[in-house]
Amino acid sequence: DQQVKQNSPSLSVQEGRISILNCDYTNSMFDYFLWYKKYPAEGPTFLISISSIKDKNEDGRFTVFLNKSAKHLSLHIVPSQPGDSAVYFCAATEINTNAGKSTFGDGTTLTVKP
Amino acid sequence: KAGVTQTPRYLIKTRGQQVTLSCSPISGHRSVSWYQQTPGQGLQFLFEYFSETQRNKGNFPGRFSGRQFSNSRSEMNVSTLELGDSALYLCASSGSLGNIQYFGAGTRLSVL
Repeated sequence: DQQVKQNSPSLSVQEGRISILNCDYTNSMFDYFLWYKKYPAEGPTFLISISSIKDKNEDGRFTVFLNKSAKHLSLHIVPSQPGDSAVYFCAATEINTNAGKSTFGDGTTLTVKP
Repeated sequence: KAGVTQTPRYLIKTRGQQVTLSCSPISGHRSVSWYQQTPGQGLQFLFEYFSETQRNKGNFPGRFSGRQFSNSRSEMNVSTLELGDSALYLCASSGSLGNIQYFGAGTRLSVL
């Protein structure tokens, strides 16, 4: 049973437009959610996170939205840039009990076309 | 501040052999986690060590084991390698904000 799902394996957008990456989870015990970005031949790097007590967190061009009732979160990138082309992983954790263990989705490959 | 260092970067082994991977966390980080990534798959959690003790464990067979040393460096061992163990093995360390993990570049293991 996959507890974190990213249903879109790939997404292609034009430079300057908005990129929306989606993620669904099933475990109601998850209370902290993160997005990581991964370039080829590198490890994932932390991008942005959100606690379950919030519904939105913004950092520059990146905004994460959380809908707890739907068990759904999304990452918005505005405006998208070619350098944003990478694999994006959604991850979830139980911050107080399992902080060192994150459950990851399978990733979405974002391609931003110039 | 140096990042997470994993050695070696690439490894080729044959079925039945055993392998040891190494991870040096960011200085000051006491938590080290290991993940397996196979093509088209997300990161599958193997285990986490904190202050030399295994704190969390994923659903992998006992052939996969690990340990952590007093300087927080960690090793992961896979015994009796199988073809399906071919994957990218990622190590991540975290500090006081344990929820955010910092990853190394990974060790790509190929089992022939």
